[in-house]
Amino acid sequence: DAGVIQSPRHEVTEMGQEVTLRCKPISGHNSLFWYRQTMMRGLELLIYFNNNVPIDDSGMPEDRFSAKMPNASFSTLKIQPSEPRDSAVYFCASSFRLYGYTFGSGTRLTVV
Amino acid sequence: DAKTTQPPSMDCAEGRAANLPCNHSTISGNEYVYWYRQIHSQGPQYIIHGLKNNETNEMASLIITEDRKSSTLILPHATLRDTAVYYCIALKGGSEKLVFGKGTKLTVNP
Repeated sequence: DAGVIQSPRHEVTEMGQEVTLRCKPISGHNSLFWYRQTMMRGLELLIYFNNNVPIDDSGMPEDRFSAKMPNASFSTLKIQPSEPRDSAVYFCASSFRLYGYTFGSGTRLTVV
Repeated sequence: DAKTTQPPSMDCAEGRAANLPCNHSTISGNEYVYWYRQIHSQGPQYIIHGLKNNETNEMASLIITEDRKSSTLILPHATLRDTAVYYCIALKGGSEKLVFGKGTKLTVNP
């Protein structure tokens, strides 16, 4: 298995633009998670899905952020409009029951 | 989920055992102890988890005290590649909301 695949690896965008981050979970995993990591705040859970249904989005910072999981093999995290404070590394992870999460390599987002 | 407390940093000599402590004095009976690590610029990596009994896998051993108020992750022969931030997390059985704290930054020195 190729693991959790995130794209793009790096994204540089201008303030106000829409940004879409993509994630392909491991086949057979039924839960998917989006995290954000910054030096100041560490790793923050933004939202997670179980069987493609959003279960907890209490970590989503504000309405500019949205996430979807249209099927078991794909999820997106969208920021519209983006702001410089959204600059961070965004990680996607997937899991199957209580067995450990597998994280992707992350997307480094820079908003200028 | 119970709060966990870890030292902010530790050092270890290459080839020696690294023992990383974690305090979880308010852990409840159905909370598992999970360990992850994050090597610089990479996504966190699952290491091991346990409920009551000690556990061992190819990466590490997890020793949980009898009262379950603390645990120790043991890397038996640390290498330079084990330099990372190690996170100890208490997670209820059936819950999937993995919340990371600040962890312990382990530096393995040559």
